[in-house]
Amino acid sequence: QVQLVQSGAEVKKPGASVKVSCKASGYTFTGYYMHWVRQAPGQGLEWMGWINPNSGGTNYAQKFQGRVTMTRDTSISTAYMELSRLRSDDTAVYYCARAPPSIVATTYFDYWGQGTLVTVSS
Amino acid sequence: QSVLTQPPSVSGAPGQRVTISCTGSSSNIGAGYDVHWYQQLPGTAPKLLIYGNSNRPSGVPDRFSGSKSGTSASLAITGLQAEDEADYYCQSYDSSLGYVFGTGTKVTVL
Repeated sequence: QVQLVQSGAEVKKPGASVKVSCKASGYTFTGYYMHWVRQAPGQGLEWMGWINPNSGGTNYAQKFQGRVTMTRDTSISTAYMELSRLRSDDTAVYYCARAPPSIVATTYFDYWGQGTLVTVSS
Repeated sequence: QSVLTQPPSVSGAPGQRVTISCTGSSSNIGAGYDVHWYQQLPGTAPKLLIYGNSNRPSGVPDRFSGSKSGTSASLAITGLQAEDEADYYCQSYDSSLGYVFGTGTKVTVL
């Protein structure tokens, strides 16, 4: 069965960086784009970007351009999301989410990781 | 901040029918991009409920249905059950912003 297992909670100081991992199993890792979505406490969902695990190509939401880096290691079927220059308003649960092969007009997220809480506090 | 607007809350008695609207614009839903729906139970990750406007993944009860018209979409829950109490989000694509989610709707079963 498809599983996305994320790394554990993190506490970071303002200005630091955080790197969250998402280990995939139960399917061909390189066959599906991986997206990252975050959710601030009590708030809605916010899309951050995607990585194509096959090519390593990425596309980031404009809001996060210059601060986010998405990478992957195909040998261990793991995707990573690194966010730098953290601020208090980056405190959120970060999710990885798999997207079945599709065109942009039809993309949806069929499996999600369990989420990783990142707390930014001095 | 979200470009897809949903009512903050809807409620209904067990067995009733409730609907959740998702209103967008000509740069997202109105541009022909599909709408998808997710259910988020308290303290858990979102779960895909409807994809491609009106399709249910395997395992999703047929009490859940979706539709899309013009710049809006709707999720209907018929035969409301206590286990349906959750937050619901629509999702689409915006030509300027990329993938976007709705503001979210909390469903309460009275």
